[in-house]
Amino acid sequence: DAGVIQSPRHEVTEMGQEVTLRCKPISGHNSLFWYRQTMMRGLELLIYFNNNVPIDDSGMPEDRFSAKMPNASFSTLKIQPSEPRDSAVYFCASSFQTSGGSRGVNEQFFGPGTRLTVL
Amino acid sequence: AQSVTQLDSQVPVFEEAPVELRCNYSSSVSVYLFWYVQYPNQGLQLLLKYLSGSTLVESINGFEAEFNKSQTSFHLRKPSVHISDTAEYFCAVSGSEKLVFGKGTKLTVNP
Repeated sequence: DAGVIQSPRHEVTEMGQEVTLRCKPISGHNSLFWYRQTMMRGLELLIYFNNNVPIDDSGMPEDRFSAKMPNASFSTLKIQPSEPRDSAVYFCASSFQTSGGSRGVNEQFFGPGTRLTVL
Repeated sequence: AQSVTQLDSQVPVFEEAPVELRCNYSSSVSVYLFWYVQYPNQGLQLLLKYLSGSTLVESINGFEAEFNKSQTSFHLRKPSVHISDTAEYFCAVSGSEKLVFGKGTKLTVNP
């Protein structure tokens, strides 16, 4: 298994440009999570999907951020326009969530992250 | 809502010394607890987890953590660390699909 795949691994862009981060979850997983990691704020959950449907986007910082999951094997996180304060490492994670009382106990598998620098 | 506090942002130790990384949580519901490890320039990997049953859980590389409900703690310990244990360690709590992470503790093992 290739694990969670993220691209690009590094992205350097200028303020105002559109940035698109990509994630391929582990085959068979039905939940996908986008996180942002910074020194100041640590690891923050931005949004998560279950069966391709956004369940909780309360962590998305503002309207400049949007995420989609058009199918079970692909998700994107877009920032438009980007700002220097968006510089961070963005992680995608996936898991297989069962229904019922055991929700939340399954391991999340993280991708290697995308290091975004906005100049 | 859940929250996690990792009291120590950095812990330097010498090789073969014991170490304890502290984690306290707050939650109004029953929780599941996790420790993840992040090696430099990599994503997070699950180290161990507490779901139910025995309050002492172990990882394959010698770490252990004990769930203490009365003290709302889930401290991570290892009796003898190796250079290769140098990494950042994150405690996390879950009451649903979401994980809430602490700020992390950077463990540096010196020769």
